[in-house]
Amino acid sequence: TQLLEQSPQFLSIQEGENLTVYCNSSSVFSSLQWYRQEPGEGPVLLVTVVTGGEVKKLKRLTFQFGDARKDSSLHITAAQPGDTGLYLCAGKGTSGTYKYIFGTGTRLKVLA
Amino acid sequence: GAGVSQSPSNKVTEKGKDVELRCDPISGHTALYWYRQSLGQGLEFLIYFQGNSAPDKSGLPSDRFSAERTGGSVSTLTIQRTQQEDSAVYLCASSLGRESYEQYFGPGTRLTVT
Repeated sequence: TQLLEQSPQFLSIQEGENLTVYCNSSSVFSSLQWYRQEPGEGPVLLVTVVTGGEVKKLKRLTFQFGDARKDSSLHITAAQPGDTGLYLCAGKGTSGTYKYIFGTGTRLKVLA
Repeated sequence: GAGVSQSPSNKVTEKGKDVELRCDPISGHTALYWYRQSLGQGLEFLIYFQGNSAPDKSGLPSDRFSAERTGGSVSTLTIQRTQQEDSAVYLCASSLGRESYEQYFGPGTRLTVT
């Protein structure tokens, strides 16, 4: 069974601080996605990474896919209150599967 | 354009009753997923539909759960004889197809079993 563990589970920081969220597995994924979810809404896709070692930037957010495609990180620079939400990673297996395995989630709160 | 819609947004039911949850995917999307999310945690895969292919039901937690997708569009998730542990947010997502990376999620149905 493929599992994705996220850390930390909860994070409360002050506006302007930097943070990193980790997504780890013992399994290899063909691609990995990061989503942000706000209360009462469904997750919204932030980024998809598909190549080992790939780095993608989305404004103040930097996403990295591990060289072995087993892990990923999300780094936020100068966090803003608008970054508050539940961050989820999701991996797609390598055997031609269409199923996504979602991580356990990281709840981020950015205080003004 | 119209996104994925789900109804009802909230459902409170008594233990033992049956419930039906509806999902209207984005027009033209051939893939449809159902997930369950408990207490703001990660998503648990339930079932996947792709075009006219047989659905992948491997994530359904028990035979009380079933889903269908009529005409390759609207989908209904049915939970029979609901139990308190079924309380969760049920999320539906659609995507262009098997090879598409992006899933578009609906707002979910919050189910509470009393």
